[in-house]
Amino acid sequence: DTEVTQTPKHLVMGMTNKKSLKCEQHMGHRAMYWYKQKAKKPPELMFVYSYEKLSINESVPSRFSPECPNSSLLNLHLHALQPEDSALYLCASSAGRQFFGPGTRLTVL
Amino acid sequence: GDSVTQMEGPVTLSEEAFLTINCTYTATGYPSLFWYVQYPGEGLQLLLKATKADDKGSNKGFEATYRKETTSFHLEKGSVQVSDSAVYFCALSPDNYGQNFVFGPGTRLSVLP
Repeated sequence: DTEVTQTPKHLVMGMTNKKSLKCEQHMGHRAMYWYKQKAKKPPELMFVYSYEKLSINESVPSRFSPECPNSSLLNLHLHALQPEDSALYLCASSAGRQFFGPGTRLTVL
Repeated sequence: GDSVTQMEGPVTLSEEAFLTINCTYTATGYPSLFWYVQYPGEGLQLLLKATKADDKGSNKGFEATYRKETTSFHLEKGSVQVSDSAVYFCALSPDNYGQNFVFGPGTRLSVLP
């Protein structure tokens, strides 16, 4: 299994909602990432987990809360988002290079 | 800090034309270099990579050579197809683990039939 999976594929939420994005990989990679990608831009790093511990938080607002329950799973909990948070959220894992999931297209109304 | 510069495009070519997308980098040490491709509505897929100077990465007719003397990793393809229409990202990783990736701004390629 050489893929990273993400659910849901699409998500629409209001500014008062709480939702979660999920990411899973079974390649045994010990580093996992969340990226945010706006249209026509490269991915921007949000969080890095290394051996299930948060190692990098790129000054992301607290309305985004990551969680790594085990070495295969990565969640991103969303609360009180703003319309400008609408974007494609990509998960990745790495071993020598980064393996990306297909992303969750998030729309905040 | 480390950085990647690439031509931003958009690049529009006719089918079977020759493609070059320039990429240059700034990094300390000896980074690994990558090209990723992103098709509409999808995540990023690795296209090719090179881990040391003079290495040539190749895949699906695309090639890029790691040129340390010019700090470049230009992407080339001899004959593009409509199906190659996508956004191409040049990237580097300063370590061997694939962490601390730095992406270029991306180049949008449109291939017309």
